[in-house]
Amino acid sequence: DAGVTQSPTHLIKTRGQQVTLRCSPKSGHDTVSWYQQALGQGPQFIFQYYEEEERQRGNFPDRFSGHQFPNYSSELNVNALLLGDSALYLCASSLETGQRYEQYFGPGTRLTVT
Amino acid sequence: GDSVTQMEGPVTLSEEAFLTINCTYTATGYPSLFWYVQYPGEGLQLLLKATKADDKGSNKGFEATYRKETTSFHLEKGSVQVSDSAVYFCALIRGAQKLVFGQGTRLTINP
Repeated sequence: DAGVTQSPTHLIKTRGQQVTLRCSPKSGHDTVSWYQQALGQGPQFIFQYYEEEERQRGNFPDRFSGHQFPNYSSELNVNALLLGDSALYLCASSLETGQRYEQYFGPGTRLTVT
Repeated sequence: GDSVTQMEGPVTLSEEAFLTINCTYTATGYPSLFWYVQYPGEGLQLLLKATKADDKGSNKGFEATYRKETTSFHLEKGSVQVSDSAVYFCALIRGAQKLVFGQGTRLTINP
């Protein structure tokens, strides 16, 4: 049973550039959430996708956008990168029915902005 | 809004010591409560959960009881091991919404 996978593992970008991070949910899961974890902090909710639509959004600017595909995989896009966007980006998947509250996390993508 | 407060770390203990990491929450309604663990260089792993008042979650020797009267979900283990060294996060969720995390507590166990 494949768990949540994310790519790439690490990424280094320059200020002003754009980045795309990818996530494949756990087998059978249909909902994907993205979190940003700054160094030494707890994860902060960015947004959640279900049925290819953004269902809920945290307090992040419009530079952060996402997409969910018909196979439930998801992308996180960040435009006009700032130094403060350096963080571990975590993807979590869950199932809309059943134990909806239980989210399974991937290993994360470490983004460094220089 | 919803929030979670954890005891500040870092926490350093000797092997076989008793562990308590305090967690309190603020939320409307009846959230589900979780403890996640993060090992160095890795993502988050669900350690245990409780979905209603007085539920006790347990896993790998760790326990936590959902106390609605004190809005708490303290993590305990009777005898810690070096392999328990990690960062522990308390979190809550309402419905299928976002997880709200505490700031994390770094635990180091010395042999």
